Parts: sequence; structure tokens; C-alpha cells
Amino acid sequence: DADVTQTPRNRITKTGKRIMLECSQTKGHDRMYWYRQDPGLGLRLIYYSFDVKDINKGEISDGYSVSRQAQAKFSLSLESAIPNQTALYFCATSDPYSYGYTFGSGTRLTVV
Amino acid sequence: AQSVAQPEDQVNVAEGNPLTVKCTYSVSGNPYLFWYVQYPNRGLQFLLKYITGDNLVKGSYGFEAEFNKSQTSFHLKKPSALVSDSALYFCAVSPIDSSASKIIFGSGTRLSIRP
Repeated sequence: DADVTQTPRNRITKTGKRIMLECSQTKGHDRMYWYRQDPGLGLRLIYYSFDVKDINKGEISDGYSVSRQAQAKFSLSLESAIPNQTALYFCATSDPYSYGYTFGSGTRLTVV
Repeated sequence: AQSVAQPEDQVNVAEGNPLTVKCTYSVSGNPYLFWYVQYPNRGLQFLLKYITGDNLVKGSYGFEAEFNKSQTSFHLKKPSALVSDSALYFCAVSPIDSSASKIIFGSGTRLSIRP
């Protein structure tokens, strides 16, 4: 099994719909992140969480919300999806001692 | 503001030739520096990191990177490219005072190795 699992892998949704992207990790790390990838823009941080009770906004949090249900689970919600939220979304977890990130395989979201 | 620049959108190299993927950064204080690789339909995979010590860092798949503090650069290199090295490469930086908690990624460089 993958260290970081994202579901769904692909999703097409309509404008205005609410959608949730889920992430779970088996690394046992406290820190989890949601990133968005757009061509030519690299990865941009949406939200991050350092433990179950800690949620922080990243650089592009508008239009998104998150929930940290447990150490291993961190979900991202789009309350009312819009076409410019069409992107590849990545969840990641990190170990503060080794400084490396482990990424999931991504969720490709299309908003029509 | 902290930032990472990858000046080349694409790098094309013949198999067997050396390759370099460029990265420069701007952070306050000393940085943690990283390279990640992304293969099609996959998440990012860690290649190597510079935290402290020797400026030349060796990583996975024969890649290495050199930290140059005066030029604020962290270029990725490999002596002999393979077709299988073709992928999207991301440079990333985190200032030490953030405990690497928030990594800033560059825009990515697509490396294409021709047979």
C-alpha cells in the first residue's frame, strides 16, 4: 500500500457542487499538507496541519476548507466548485526531523 | 518574499550527455533545499536535499546538486543522462527558521532525454 493515499484519483464535477478530496497516510507523521499544481505555476500550498488540532491557511486557501479527522486523515473540500479550481491536487506528509515530504499520487479535478 | 526560480521550462539533452537543471532561490537566512521529481500520473518523489555540510549533495538515481551560497543556487546535475530520467523536476526551498514546515516549490522544469 502507498504511504499516502488520495481518493478519488480523477473527478469531474459541475460548477457550484461541493466536493471532498480525501487523503490518508501510513507514515505516522503529524504534519500534512494540501497542494495544488497548475502548469507553469509549480505547487502552491492550500492548507497545512501540524497535528489534529492545528489547521493553517496556505497561500491560496480561498474557496477551500479542510478537516483533520485523525493523525492519518486530512481532507480537502471545495464548498462550491468553480472552473478555475480545475487542477491536480496533492496531499503530502512530512517528518520534521528528516525534512522530506512524501506525496500522494494526486487527484485530477475538473470543474465544468 | 521567499521564492524559488527555475529559469528553464524545458531542458533537452541527448542520452549519455551530462545534464543540468537550474535553480536559484531567495530566502531570509540559511535555507533547506530540495529536489523532487514527478513522473507522469505520479506524485512528487524526493531526490535529494541540502541541510548543512558539504555543498555537493548526492541523491537518488545518480543525481547530485551543488549548493552555492554566494550565487544562491542549487543546480541539479547528472554526469550521464538516461532516457528514463525524462520527467518534471521541482526545486524547493524552506527557510531554516520554519523548521522546513512550509516548503516553497519552483515552477518546475521538464527534462527530456532523447535516445
